[in-house]
Amino acid sequence: QITLKESGPTLVKPSQTLTLTCTFSGFSLNNSGVGVGWIRQPPGKALEWLALIYWNDNKRYSPFLRSRLTITKDTSKNQVVLTMTNMDPVDTATYYCAHTTAAYCDGDCFWNWFDPWGQGTLVTVSS
Amino acid sequence: SSEMTQDPAVSEALGQTVRITCQGDCLRRYYANWDQQKPGQAPVVVIYDKNNRPSGIPDRFSGSSSGNTASLTFTGAQAEDDADYYCNFRDSSGNHVIFGGGTKLTVL
Repeated sequence: QITLKESGPTLVKPSQTLTLTCTFSGFSLNNSGVGVGWIRQPPGKALEWLALIYWNDNKRYSPFLRSRLTITKDTSKNQVVLTMTNMDPVDTATYYCAHTTAAYCDGDCFWNWFDPWGQGTLVTVSS
Repeated sequence: SSEMTQDPAVSEALGQTVRITCQGDCLRRYYANWDQQKPGQAPVVVIYDKNNRPSGIPDRFSGSSSGNTASLTFTGAQAEDDADYYCNFRDSSGNHVIFGGGTKLTVL
């Protein structure tokens, strides 16, 4: 059974850097084709994809937030970390991580779908 | 183009067939997935890769695709299907993810 859980601060101040950790079980990021993604959802609004990382360290970022995001993995700890710089109140959202796979990789990796998702963690940006 | 369109809200009577759609140029090239989200819960995939159901998803859920439009159909909608539904798919590069704006399904 695959499970994922997000952890990190619930409140950050504007201009600060947010660091979120996704701790997972039931799969390994050493295995070919496996990946983890981050997605967020502002209160009452739609889902927004943020970043992906695959077993081969291939990384992809939302083109709208690319300059502010960094995704890394620690396979020994079964964790994926997302950092987002220069936080603003509009970044207030529930942040989810999710298991994914790549259909194939030919330099770049072609994403499949997210399944399952973590429970999410609400991050509020306020002074 | 990575622009897409998803109807904000759809309603239908209990037991009726209802279809929600997602339109986008990338859907001419890639299949859509559909995630269900109930209030206060994380999303759950109900259809992946156009028309595949994960185990545990009822067979009244089905997916289809034609041209630039992907559809999620409920054959005999049930009260528990009342939720938000998000289409998602690869962008034109195949490497990035696009989420639709979500459709709120109300089963009357």
